[in-house]
Amino acid sequence: DTAVSQTPKYLVTQMGNDKSIKCEQNLGHDTMYWYKQDSKKFLKIMFSYNNKELIINETVPNRFSPKSPDKAHLNLHINSLELGDSAVYFCASSPGTQETQYFGPGTRLLVL
Amino acid sequence: AQSVTQLGSHVSVSEGALVLLRCNYSSSVPPYLFWYVQYPNQGLQLLLKYTSAATLVKGINGFEAEFKKSETSFHLTKPSAHMSDAAEYFCAVSEVTGGGNKLTFGTGTQLKVEL
Repeated sequence: DTAVSQTPKYLVTQMGNDKSIKCEQNLGHDTMYWYKQDSKKFLKIMFSYNNKELIINETVPNRFSPKSPDKAHLNLHINSLELGDSAVYFCASSPGTQETQYFGPGTRLLVL
Repeated sequence: AQSVTQLGSHVSVSEGALVLLRCNYSSSVPPYLFWYVQYPNQGLQLLLKYTSAATLVKGINGFEAEFKKSETSFHLTKPSAHMSDAAEYFCAVSEVTGGGNKLTFGTGTQLKVEL
């Protein structure tokens, strides 16, 4: 009955690989987000989707490509992984674009 | 652009003592402000939010925060700390941009509660 879920929880991979992180919310929310938390615990938004449409795209390398197949899902695909991509990636959702955001448990990515 | 400053990256209090975590914001419009808590290896949980209604906002687990426009502050307090309050606390401001809404977070404050 988790509200916002992410898979996998942990991801260890080699530099240069391509990987995906999945996010699902069962709250019926229209808006979903991806945030990155670095090793100093600083959180920064990467993307936001509203009704499957991209509405926020911060200055993120184009190796990162979000995909929203439906309102309940927002996946993040990362090509050619680099050491600096190591971080915790959080998915979040909100009922609308100006509502409270609810966060998933995070995906801990380690690039070796 | 809006921003948030959290003073003190680490705060240590004794169990039963007052908790005060500081947050100052910068915003050109009336802000929406949030406090989130992150327990080790977990996601962020909303503690409370200010959305221009009452300036004193009560949240979960006995926390509250007061919005002071004149000081551009939104400090988080709890009268009596409990061991279970040990966590990372983030202040955030909501910014509407291009039809969307993004949270801009402070750098976080690690709260340690000692016996």
